[in-house]
Amino acid sequence: GEDVEQSLFLSVREGDSSVINCTYTDSSSTYLYWYKQEPGAGLQLLTYIFSNMDMKQDQRLTVLLNKKDKHLSLRIADTQTGDSAIYFCAESPSGSARQLTFGSGTQLTVLP
Amino acid sequence: NAGVTQTPKFRVLKTGQSMTLLCAQDMNHEYMYWYRQDPGMGLRLIHYSVGEGTTAKGEVPDGYNVSRLKKQNFLLGLESAAPSQTSVYFCASSPIRATNEKLFFGSGTQLSVL
Repeated sequence: GEDVEQSLFLSVREGDSSVINCTYTDSSSTYLYWYKQEPGAGLQLLTYIFSNMDMKQDQRLTVLLNKKDKHLSLRIADTQTGDSAIYFCAESPSGSARQLTFGSGTQLTVLP
Repeated sequence: NAGVTQTPKFRVLKTGQSMTLLCAQDMNHEYMYWYRQDPGMGLRLIHYSVGEGTTAKGEVPDGYNVSRLKKQNFLLGLESAAPSQTSVYFCASSPIRATNEKLFFGSGTQLSVL
């Protein structure tokens, strides 16, 4: 079946950029998402990208998609302590949540 | 604006006991979902509903039942809990969209089965 993989942990210093990486196996993935989970809370959609795009920027967030290598990354500029959370990559061939496959999440720790 | 509310937040069960998790949303969303989250794994879909009175199986439905008698509520039942069902359970809802569905999540229920 489809698989989405992420590294489990990332630590950065406050003010630095964070880059969270994700690889996926489903070549029919059309919609790719980044969700954020803060401690004790549910997931919140951060941003998404369509497979016909290479890049999407939204304020401090930049999403890069390399469709050939099936690689997705999330860059957070000027990382703040409030960015400490678990970040989940997810993909869906149709955009339907019924076909959504999540990665295992990357725990981002921002050090002062 | 409450969004998606899950009750209870924590629960400890003994093997063989039953319980029901309640999910309530106040956004008039058509679609509702139950996921489980296990350490080192992504969220996995248990069951979902595309409208009042409808339910369907997701990726890992065994050992669970669901009901959607009212549009705003989606109940997840464990008839005979097993230690393998120890997990964090998340409910989510979304409005009807043909594509690029946006999920709104509750804050989760931590369930331990001893």
